Amino acid sequence: EDKVVQSPLSLVVHEGDTVTLNCSYEVTNFRSLLWYKQEKKAPTFLFMLTSSGIEKKSGRLSSILDKKELFSILNITATQTGDSAIYLCAVEEYNFNKFYFGSGTKLNVKP
Amino acid sequence: DAGITQSPRHKVTETGTPVTLRCHQTENHRYMYWYRQDPGHGLRLIHYSYGVKDTDKGEVSDGYSVSRSKTEDFLLTLESATSSQTSVYFCAISERTGSTDTQYFGPGTRLTVL
Repeated sequence: EDKVVQSPLSLVVHEGDTVTLNCSYEVTNFRSLLWYKQEKKAPTFLFMLTSSGIEKKSGRLSSILDKKELFSILNITATQTGDSAIYLCAVEEYNFNKFYFGSGTKLNVKP
Repeated sequence: DAGITQSPRHKVTETGTPVTLRCHQTENHRYMYWYRQDPGHGLRLIHYSYGVKDTDKGEVSDGYSVSRSKTEDFLLTLESATSSQTSVYFCAISERTGSTDTQYFGPGTRLTVL
């Protein structure tokens, strides 16, 4: 069964729009949740979240975790064409440092 | 980029042939991972290693084996490649920051099995 579920699977917006990407998880022994951005190459790290309710922010991107409801959101404000990518969510489990990935959200930002 | 390289970067092979992919890291990380990425499936863990000669299976390990004889190298072997193993393969390491870990990925290997 899927341990990490992302939604939507794909999204098309126009420059300047704000988007919210969702990640829900069901992982025993939760340690952290990570967001990655993947363009036409390897995933690159965006955020790590460990505590509920504390927003992580980097420029136009922000993310927050809810450990009670087992989900996280990634917000992108004032989107640009350079934000077009697949956004991956992963959850780290304590045992043997294992990471479980969602299938990703493909974001397409049109000019 | 956490000093991770993968070789080869691209490979085309035929069904039934053995294939070995290499992951090399320069920063003495203990944990190393092999993932495959296919459309609609995100990243799926094949095998991982938690030290020299210490490895374990991930969720899609059938048809793959690994070896780690040195800290810096983690090899993934397809004993007899099949077309279903056509994929992009990523190696990763995890880096400890405080009590949590972040994964960093190598550049990937695109494997095509004809």
